[in-house]
Amino acid sequence: SAVISQKPSRDICQRGTSLTIQCQVDSQVTMMFWYRQQPGQSLTLIATANQGSEATYESGFVIDKFPISRPNLTFSTLTVSNMSPEDSSIYLCSASIAGGPETQYFGPGTRLLVL
Amino acid sequence: GENVEQHPSTLSVQEGDSAVIKCTYSDSASNYFPWYKQELGKGPQLIIDIRSNVGEKKDQRIAVTLNKTAKHFSLHITETQPEDSAVYFCAASISTSGNQFYFGTGTSLTVIP
Repeated sequence: SAVISQKPSRDICQRGTSLTIQCQVDSQVTMMFWYRQQPGQSLTLIATANQGSEATYESGFVIDKFPISRPNLTFSTLTVSNMSPEDSSIYLCSASIAGGPETQYFGPGTRLLVL
Repeated sequence: GENVEQHPSTLSVQEGDSAVIKCTYSDSASNYFPWYKQELGKGPQLIIDIRSNVGEKKDQRIAVTLNKTAKHFSLHITETQPEDSAVYFCAASISTSGNQFYFGTGTSLTVIP
């Protein structure tokens, strides 16, 4: 398994500002992902974070709104830009472990409230 | 793309009873099926998984069954305890195709003491 940490754990932000969420994994990973989970809902994949290249975004998510970086194998950031109240959600990072099974391990999430 | 349906959305059982959550998937190429437990305020935690070459897998009080022909899989929790109360998510993926997971809509399980 893997231990995944996220920072911050929660934040309250003003409309129009941006927040960067950090994700750190304690193992060598192959793939890293970012999800959004709205209250009481399932997980929606935002993008796959690719090391050294642009992230792969899912339909409905764009780089200008959710820029993602992955400078090395174990670290990634997600920025939520120009926030509106509709961005209030839980943002989750996940990772698959190099040399391990194909499962994904999740971080504890970042709870974001936009006023 | 893959579509995963999960039922029921809510489930209440008495402590000690069994709980069953069912999922169906649409893409016959899916070959990996994990189950996650999410407690309030936490991220999803993998509790059990099954691959398409296996029909059933058990881990203590938890078991998962897979019917590839019918494209459905189920989570079985026996001798439920209050600490089993959480939201459970199933997922399906094609492990050789970018490892993208398709999640079910979740089941909120309440175990009544």
